[in-house]
Amino acid sequence: DVKVTQSSRYLVKRTGEKVFLECVQDMDHENMFWYRQDPGLGLRLIYFSYDVKMKEKGDIPEGYSVSREKKERFSLILESASTNQTSMYLCASSLLTGTETQYFGPGTRLLVL
Amino acid sequence: GNSVTQMEGPVTLSEEAFLTINCTYTATGYPSLFWYVQYPGEGLQLLLKATKADDKGSNKGFEATYRKETTSFHLEKGSVQVSDSAVYFCALLYNFNKFYFGSGTKLNVKP
Repeated sequence: DVKVTQSSRYLVKRTGEKVFLECVQDMDHENMFWYRQDPGLGLRLIYFSYDVKMKEKGDIPEGYSVSREKKERFSLILESASTNQTSMYLCASSLLTGTETQYFGPGTRLLVL
Repeated sequence: GNSVTQMEGPVTLSEEAFLTINCTYTATGYPSLFWYVQYPGEGLQLLLKATKADDKGSNKGFEATYRKETTSFHLEKGSVQVSDSAVYFCALLYNFNKFYFGSGTKLNVKP
């Protein structure tokens, strides 16, 4: 079974802090994704990566950056956390082909005070 | 552009009732369509998918048929259980790696 793990289930940070969210997958998937999930808005794509060191902006990249130094690991960085970044963050991975399922991690619930 | 619209919830049903959650999409080309489910406190998991027109995806008693003529992928189950209580997301996959998700529909099943 594919396993996608995220470094924390719950995180509390203060405004202005730099925040790192880590995601690791164990199935050699090319694609990795970061979403945020907010009530009534569903999932919105922040960034995705289709290869090591490659990244593309999603629909809401402002205030975020990402890093993919190894194929299995995709990090989301909040350079200076703000209260409007309080959300559930979901990481996902998939193969590169055209019909592939995404496999999701359990999510990190981030609270920015 | 590409988008997915699904019915707003919450949907509240009694056990053994029939379930329909509507999903319609807008897309260029021929996307693949998915239903994902999110149980409380967990990430999303794939429920079923269909990759071309007229395909029917099915799993755990749930079904959905890819209808190109009506651009729909409605989720159905003949007899829901309390354990089906969750949030259901309709999604389309475009251009190999770009997913578009609906806003989610919360289902509450009462005993």
